[in-house]
Amino acid sequence: GIQVEQSPPDLILQEGANSTLRCNFSDSVNNLQWFHQNPWGQLINLFYIPSGTKQNGRLSATTVATERYSLLYISSSQTTDSGVYFCAGGETSGSRLTFGEGTQLTVNP
Amino acid sequence: GAVVSQHPSRVICKSGTSVKIECRSLDFQATTMFWYRQFPKQSLMLMATSNEGSKATYEQGVEKDKFLINHASLTLSTLTVTSAHPEDSSFYICSAMAPPHTEAFFGQGTRLTVV
Repeated sequence: GIQVEQSPPDLILQEGANSTLRCNFSDSVNNLQWFHQNPWGQLINLFYIPSGTKQNGRLSATTVATERYSLLYISSSQTTDSGVYFCAGGETSGSRLTFGEGTQLTVNP
Repeated sequence: GAVVSQHPSRVICKSGTSVKIECRSLDFQATTMFWYRQFPKQSLMLMATSNEGSKATYEQGVEKDKFLINHASLTLSTLTVTSAHPEDSSFYICSAMAPPHTEAFFGQGTRLTVV
């Protein structure tokens, strides 16, 4: 099955800083998603992005499918951005997702 | 986005008892739902794929007799942890793919504590 590698595992920022999270895949994926897990465990959908670039407010994501990686950019970080960020991939649309180990983000005031 | 509702959000049960967790797709039909398990400070691990009207598909190492899955309708899948033991204590999360069956949405999760 697909292997998913996320980096960095931990990231500590000052409020207002920018950051880039990376996700590498061992094989091609046709379903790629980024999630933010809040302190209560809820997974919040950030992006569905099997290829290309998307932006939503201070967040943006880019997936280069041919090189099997995806990047999540967080600009002007806020304390509410703290939490764990996961990327997950699936071989086909609608198939099971394999999750990376996550990036624990802490934004300090 | 699509809404997936999971209930209960938290449950404490005694060792040896069974616990049922419900996962509902509120505004779409889901022929397939997925059940994940997450230990503290770890990632999500797929336990099983729940298929409406047929048997669930379990991942290697997951005991099908311990984790009973029933997907009786297009909007409801249930996970029953039978004869629970303290080592079954974990965070259980379900997901469903919303039409056109590409993007996964997750329930709120259930924190199970077996005492």
